[in-house]
Amino acid sequence: AQKITQTQPGMFVQEKEAVTLDCTYDTSDQSYGLFWYKQPSSGEMIFLIYQGSYDEQNATEGRYSLNFQKARKSANLVISASQLGDSAMYFCASLADDKIIFGKGTRLHILP
Amino acid sequence: DGGITQSPKYLFRKEGQNVTLSCEQNLNHDAMYWYRQDPGQGLRLIYYSQIVNDFQKGDIAEGYSVSREKKESFPLTVTSAQKNPTAFYLCASSMMPYGELFFGEGSRLTVL
Repeated sequence: AQKITQTQPGMFVQEKEAVTLDCTYDTSDQSYGLFWYKQPSSGEMIFLIYQGSYDEQNATEGRYSLNFQKARKSANLVISASQLGDSAMYFCASLADDKIIFGKGTRLHILP
Repeated sequence: DGGITQSPKYLFRKEGQNVTLSCEQNLNHDAMYWYRQDPGQGLRLIYYSQIVNDFQKGDIAEGYSVSREKKESFPLTVTSAQKNPTAFYLCASSMMPYGELFFGEGSRLTVL
């Protein structure tokens, strides 16, 4: 069965610093996808970045990058130059076996 | 505009009543999903559907039912058998099983 583990329930980071949010996954599928979503206090889910299991390059989207280490089953999200608006819940998710499951999330607080 | 519409946004019901949450998408997506989110928690998969007239149970399907009679629509019924139905419910869709999830704004159900 699929499983996503996010080991950091909460993080506090100074504005303008880089931050890494951890995510490990467990799936027996050879082909799978990994996602990161942001959920502000409003509750909406915002797609940030996607990494396919066969992608050789790490995915990047603006200030977001995904540090994909396949052998370690790790898909950490890196946010460069954090901003106050980055304060939110962040969820890692995996797509395998035709379904998408989520981790429990990390609440990120950016300090001015 | 294309998107996913969930209704109602807020719903109050008495214990023992069935309630149905609506989810409609005009993105022409094949796959649709229902997730439940409890305060401070991640998203847990209730049901998902890849094609019309077919759906599969997720990790917490007990006490819930769905139908997929049209590609655009994937309503969720929270039955009286669901022991703790108060939660935030999110509907999502994707182009095919291997694609980014697009989310609705969510429905917050409170059972009194």
